[in-house]
Amino acid sequence: GNSVTQMEGPVTLSEEAFLTINCTYTATGYPSLFWYVQYPGEGLQLLLKATKADDKGSNKGFEATYRKETTSFHLEKGSVQVSDSAVYFCALSSYGNKLVFGAGTILRVKS
Amino acid sequence: GAGVSQSPSNKVTEKGKDVELRCDPISGHTALYWYRQSLGQGLEFLIYFQGNSAPDKSGLPSDRFSAERTGGSVSTLTIQRTQQEDSAVYLCASSSLSPVKGTDTQYFGPGTRLTVL
Repeated sequence: GNSVTQMEGPVTLSEEAFLTINCTYTATGYPSLFWYVQYPGEGLQLLLKATKADDKGSNKGFEATYRKETTSFHLEKGSVQVSDSAVYFCALSSYGNKLVFGAGTILRVKS
Repeated sequence: GAGVSQSPSNKVTEKGKDVELRCDPISGHTALYWYRQSLGQGLEFLIYFQGNSAPDKSGLPSDRFSAERTGGSVSTLTIQRTQQEDSAVYLCASSSLSPVKGTDTQYFGPGTRLTVL
């Protein structure tokens, strides 16, 4: 079945540091890939997505590229802020179907 | 409405009682999903509706769990004879399926936090 593996946290960074959160997937066919973010006390929000190989999703300074050859969708940001502290979930969806989530990665950014 | 809404936001119940959780999807969204978020299990899929029918119920943990959707809109998740392990945040999401791939983004509601004492 489909599955998502993402790096365990928590990840603790200083403000303005570079962020990478690794995500790899196993899926049949050509899934869509997503990063969702959950800020403290809030619901899940879509951060970015990519629907085919080599697509790059981007939003709020975050980027992730759909790499079919390595089955990866790593999340990156060049300079994190304290306000980026949250839980980040990598997920995949085979067309029209359920989302399969990774375990989530807690990010803590210190000022 | 502008987004997915869920009610109640919090529900505390006693073991053995039945509970109903409600989801109002984004207007016009044909697909509706229920998920559960718990400390031990992360985010788990429960059930998926397309219109009023549920082609995928594979995530429902037991026959104590059921869901329905009426009028292609509001959905209710019912848990009978609640157990302590049912304590979790229940999330609803909706999406607008389209033959064009890439429009299947799911938008989530704020969730219902269920506590079973």
